[in-house]
Amino acid sequence: EAGVVQSPRYKIIEKKQPVAFWCNPISGHNTLYWYLQNLGQGPELLIRYENEEAVDDSQLPKDRFSAERLKGVDSTLKIQPAELGDSAVYLCASSETTTSGGNEQFFGPGTRLTVL
Amino acid sequence: SQQGEEDPQALSIQEGENATMNCSYKTSINNLQWYRQNSGRGLVHLILIRSNEREKHSGRLRVTLDTSKKSSSLLITASRAADTASYFCALSGSARQLTFGSGTQLTVLP
Repeated sequence: EAGVVQSPRYKIIEKKQPVAFWCNPISGHNTLYWYLQNLGQGPELLIRYENEEAVDDSQLPKDRFSAERLKGVDSTLKIQPAELGDSAVYLCASSETTTSGGNEQFFGPGTRLTVL
Repeated sequence: SQQGEEDPQALSIQEGENATMNCSYKTSINNLQWYRQNSGRGLVHLILIRSNEREKHSGRLRVTLDTSKKSSSLLITASRAADTASYFCALSGSARQLTFGSGTQLTVLP
C-alpha cells in the first residue's frame, strides 16, 4: 500500500516568493492534515480537511497561507509571499474519517522549506 | 488546544537497556498516541491508548496511561541502535485533532 506522498521534498526560495506544496493521501482516507514542524519541535496543525471541506483552519495564517483540496483527494498548500520565518518542514498526514476519539494518522516525509 | 509535555527532552542509553519517556498534560483526553520520527522523515504511529485503558503493549513497546495524574509513559525494552529517533506524544481531545508535544530525542549507543 502506498503511503502519503509529498512533493517536493526540499524547496529553497527567496523571501517574498510564492511556494506550493503538494500532498496525495493514502487511498480511501477522507481526512487530510497539513502540519508545520519547526526544528526541535512537534508538528503544529495548520489545517484539517474532511473530504473537500476545511473543518479546522484556525491555525492557518490566512494573510499569506492558503490550501485547497478540490476533489477531496490530493491537496495543495501555498504560501505567498514567503517570509524568513516560514522556513520549516511542512508535513501532510491522512487518516480514516475521524471519530470522536481521533484516529491514527499517517504522515508523509514532509517538505523542507528554506526561505533565504 | 492543550499540548503534552515530554520528559526528558533528551535521553541517551546503551543498546540493550530500556528507555522510558513520559508525557504529561493538563485537560481531559479521548486518547493519547505515541509517534516516532527518524531524522529527516515523517512521523510513524506507534501506539494508541484510550482514556479508559491503563496499559497497552506492542512488541517491545509498553505504554501506560494514568488519567488521574494526567500522564503517560512509553517504555522501549531491549533498545536497539535503530530505535534512535524523536518520540512524540499526541493528545486527542474533544476537538477531534491531535496536539503534539515537543518530543524526546532518544539516542541508543551501540
